[in-house]
Amino acid sequence: QVQLVQSGAEVKKPGASVKVSCEVSGYTFTDYAITWVRQAPGQGLEWMGWISGYNGNTNYAQKLQDRVTMTTDTSTSTAYMELRSLTSDDTAVYYCARDDPVTTIKPDYWGQGTLVTVSS
Amino acid sequence: QTVVTQEPSLTVSPGGTVTLTCASSTGAVTSGYFPNWFQQKPGQAPRALIYGTSNRHSWTPARFSGSLLGGKAALTLSGVQPEDEAEYYCLLYFGGAVFGGGTKLTVL
Repeated sequence: QVQLVQSGAEVKKPGASVKVSCEVSGYTFTDYAITWVRQAPGQGLEWMGWISGYNGNTNYAQKLQDRVTMTTDTSTSTAYMELRSLTSDDTAVYYCARDDPVTTIKPDYWGQGTLVTVSS
Repeated sequence: QTVVTQEPSLTVSPGGTVTLTCASSTGAVTSGYFPNWFQQKPGQAPRALIYGTSNRHSWTPARFSGSLLGGKAALTLSGVQPEDEAEYYCLLYFGGAVFGGGTKLTVL
């Protein structure tokens, strides 16, 4: 069965960076993409960006494009999301989801989420 | 900055029918926006329900249906069950993607 397993919770200081991983199984990693979504406490969902599992092409949310980098490691079927220059506004649960290989139009299976807390 | 708007909250009786909508600040929503719908319960990850306006995932109950209605994307729940009480989010594709603010559905 399709599974996306994310790395554990993180606590970071303002100005630091965080890197969240998303290891997939149950399907061929390069046949799909990964979308990243975050949710601040008590708030709605925010689309962060998309990365192709085939060729690493990316599409980032304009608001985050200066601070986010999404990468993949096809040898381990793992996607990564790195966010830099963290502030308290980045405190959120971060989710990865399997998506359409062409663009972000069909996020279907989701990871369990990773809580990132930014606090001094 | 494109804004996607949903009803903040709706209430429906068990067994009833309710329609949630999803509007874009850019104008009418069309199939080219590939509307998706997600259900989220407290403490859980979102669960995908509908993609490409009206296509159900293999796990989506038949009582959930998606459509375009009056220039908006719409999610209709027919024969609502108590377990359908949740937050519902739409997602529209604009080259990037934007989520709506969510609709809190209460079954009462």
